Amino acid sequence: IAGITQAPTSQILAAGRRMTLRCTQDMRHNAMYWYRQDLGLGLRLIHYSNTAGTTGKGEVPDGYSVSRANTDDFPLTLASAVPSQTSVYFCASSDEERPYNEQFFGPGTRLTVL
Amino acid sequence: AQKVTQAQTEISVVEKEDVTLDCVYETRDTTYYLFWYKQPPSGELVFLIRRNSFDEQNEISGRYSWNFQKSTSSFNFTITASQVVDSAVYFCALSEAQGNTPLVFGKGTRLSVIA
Repeated sequence: IAGITQAPTSQILAAGRRMTLRCTQDMRHNAMYWYRQDLGLGLRLIHYSNTAGTTGKGEVPDGYSVSRANTDDFPLTLASAVPSQTSVYFCASSDEERPYNEQFFGPGTRLTVL
Repeated sequence: AQKVTQAQTEISVVEKEDVTLDCVYETRDTTYYLFWYKQPPSGELVFLIRRNSFDEQNEISGRYSWNFQKSTSSFNFTITASQVVDSAVYFCALSEAQGNTPLVFGKGTRLSVIA
């Protein structure tokens, strides 16, 4: 089934540890995005990539890094996790060939940093 | 800068009541897209609707309807005859109308429909 997969589904992590959240899409979309969702704050953009090999910073990029080595994968790395990074993380993708900037979202990763 | 405001943090209604979720946006772009997403208790984001800024026609889909008014920068969402299954967090979002651009989300409105 075409779509976006994220792994892990959930994770509890000790502060200071390194963690990579995985995101893979099989729709050959050009653009991919990482959002975090926090209670009362909605979804906020962390990083994005308009095409393989390019990335950009969103509204809340500090403490996170991304890479886009190929079209399908867009991993999000927390180099040294802190409790404020406890959140639900959503990966999304879109393609300029589709009208209206339609974005597809993954199921999310729930991360708890203790 | 773009901004989306959903002033209603939480709404509680009794089943079969109508309910309107408000969304006000700010943008300097002359063309843009507006979206509504539903997030049920299971956590996934469910796409509901998108509108172009140049299409101000209201839209109805079953019990759902959307009222887009450029003059007031609003894109309100009405559920008619609400049902318990409508209980969810609803997000309004905005994006530029040029290629692939991220969405700017409102903070969401939590709707509880009581049987």
